[in-house]
Amino acid sequence: NAGVTQTPKFQVLKTGQSMTLQCAQDMNHNSMYWYRQDPGMGLRLIYYSASEGTTDKGEVPNGYNVSRLNKREFSLRLESAAPSQTSVYFCATDSRVTDTQYFGPGTRLTVL
Amino acid sequence: RKEVEQDPGPFNVPEGATVAFNCTYSNSASQSFFWYRQDCRKEPKLLMSVYSSGNEDGRFTAQLNRASQYISLLIRDSKLSDSATYLCVGGAPGTYKYIFGTGTRLKVLA
Repeated sequence: NAGVTQTPKFQVLKTGQSMTLQCAQDMNHNSMYWYRQDPGMGLRLIYYSASEGTTDKGEVPNGYNVSRLNKREFSLRLESAAPSQTSVYFCATDSRVTDTQYFGPGTRLTVL
Repeated sequence: RKEVEQDPGPFNVPEGATVAFNCTYSNSASQSFFWYRQDCRKEPKLLMSVYSSGNEDGRFTAQLNRASQYISLLIRDSKLSDSATYLCVGGAPGTYKYIFGTGTRLKVLA
């Protein structure tokens, strides 16, 4: 029972390159989230998916797209990476019963 | 003003000390509150939920004061392993949005 998994763990991109961050959960939760964490800023919501087939913007969606592939998987895509997207990205899922969020181990992304 | 504000610290305390953190929130629509713990270069993990009546889990006590819009976390008999960043989180029922504070860093010294 892995909980929430993310790949890759680390990534370095050049400005303008694209990439997709993968997230999967085996907790059978409906809702999934993508956050970014920057020093002094706390965790900020990029996109979320309340259930399979739906996605909604969070606080900082610009420059990102998401896909809820099925109940287990929620991916985050950077079409044209910019240095401002250098951050740690966390995927999460939550139990709507307890409102508890469960996070993946994170992806450390550097854009040069 | 940030919706959830915390003193970033660091709080440096000796082993065995009692330490308290406060967190203030500005959105009165927030109804559910949590403390998460985040170790260096790791993901946040739920420490405890915060209830209006207050709740205790071993050495940890959380309190919510809705009138003054703040949440507190008290750690008694601090251990070296308590060294981490503690995140205050607020959520509004029926939404999918949680607001995270920037965290308070605690260092417990031997």
